[in-house]
Amino acid sequence: GEDVEQSLFLSVREGDSSVINCTYTDSSSTYLYWYKQEPGAGLQLLTYIFSNMDMKQDQRLTVLLNKKDKHLSLRIADTQTGDSAIYFCAETDYNNNDMRFGAGTRLTVKP
Amino acid sequence: GAVVSQHPSWVICKSGTSVKIECRSLDFQATTMFWYRQFPKQSLMLMATSNEGSKATYEQGVEKDKFLINHASLTLSTLTVTSAHPEDSSFYICSADSGRGYEQFFGPGTRLTVL
Repeated sequence: GEDVEQSLFLSVREGDSSVINCTYTDSSSTYLYWYKQEPGAGLQLLTYIFSNMDMKQDQRLTVLLNKKDKHLSLRIADTQTGDSAIYFCAETDYNNNDMRFGAGTRLTVKP
Repeated sequence: GAVVSQHPSWVICKSGTSVKIECRSLDFQATTMFWYRQFPKQSLMLMATSNEGSKATYEQGVEKDKFLINHASLTLSTLTVTSAHPEDSSFYICSADSGRGYEQFFGPGTRLTVL
């Protein structure tokens, strides 16, 4: 099957930038997403990018997409303790029929 | 923005009983809703796709007789875990298709614990 992979853990100091990486295998991926999950809560959509884009910026968040290498990253500038959570990368095909998730990256922000 | 609610947010039940989880789209109509299951420290796994007025489509390996899905209206889908066992204990999350083609809205999740 098609896979989405992420590193499981990332630890940064408050004020630093965080970069969470994701790789996927489905060449027909059309939409790529980043979700945030805080403890005990459901997923919150942070941002998404269409496969015909290579960058999207939204306040402190920057998404970079390298379609050739099937690599997606999420950069959080000026990381705060409130950013501590699990971040999931996900992708769907054109029909949005099946959203495939990575295992999630646990971001820990130290004061 | 679009809001999806789930009820209950957590439930504890005895082994062998059935549990119903509701997923509602509060301010939009959702022709399609999705049910996910999340095991501890793992990602979401799609269980089934629920379409209003028709039978749900289950993912491979998901027992349709155990996880009954009913999408009776454009704002409500229910998941019933029948004859629950401890291995069914998990975090169940639903999402609703906004109809805009690229976005799903997630409910807050229901934590099921089977004793």
